[in-house]
Amino acid sequence: EDKVVQSPLSLVVHEGDTVTLNCSYEVTNFRSLLWYKQEKKAPTFLFMLTSSGIEKKSGRLSSILDKKELFSILNITATQTGDSAIYLCAVEPGTASKLTFGTGTRLQVTL
Amino acid sequence: DTAVSQTPKYLVTQMGNDKSIKCEQNLGHDTMYWYKQDSKKFLKIMFSYNNKELIINETVPNRFSPKSPDKAHLNLHINSLELGDSAVYFCASSQNTLEQYFGPGTRLTVT
Repeated sequence: EDKVVQSPLSLVVHEGDTVTLNCSYEVTNFRSLLWYKQEKKAPTFLFMLTSSGIEKKSGRLSSILDKKELFSILNITATQTGDSAIYLCAVEPGTASKLTFGTGTRLQVTL
Repeated sequence: DTAVSQTPKYLVTQMGNDKSIKCEQNLGHDTMYWYKQDSKKFLKIMFSYNNKELIINETVPNRFSPKSPDKAHLNLHINSLELGDSAVYFCASSQNTLEQYFGPGTRLTVT
């Protein structure tokens, strides 16, 4: 069975700090890994990673995938209170069109 | 313009009742999904339809029946509601790449 484990489960940081969120996975015939941000309502897409070692970047957020060690990290630099959310990692196997989600990391950024 | 919409946003009902949740996407995507998010925020896929055909049916009680009248709509009907069905149900859609766009969610409370 496909498995996605995220750590830490929750994190409280001060505005301006840099955080690293972790996602490790076990999946049959890996196809892609995705990161989502969930605030009060629906998850919103952040990144999709398919190749090892290629960093995806969007503003203060960046993510990288290591297919050998089966993990991904999501970095957020100069955090702001608006970054407070649950960050979800999901993997897609090559054999089926579905995503398996991790339990998420709840990030709280305080002033 | 709303990309993925769901109705209703909130649903409070008694045990034993039958209810439906509707989902529509205007993105022209071929694939639609239903997810259940429990109180611990764990997001788990329930069903996936591609061009009106069921392609994923996870281990879900047969009281849950999805229906896709066309590729822009995927409705979820639930019979004989139970307390454990209380959750937030998210509809999502995607086109090939699995970058899924989520609806705002329907919070179902069974009393």
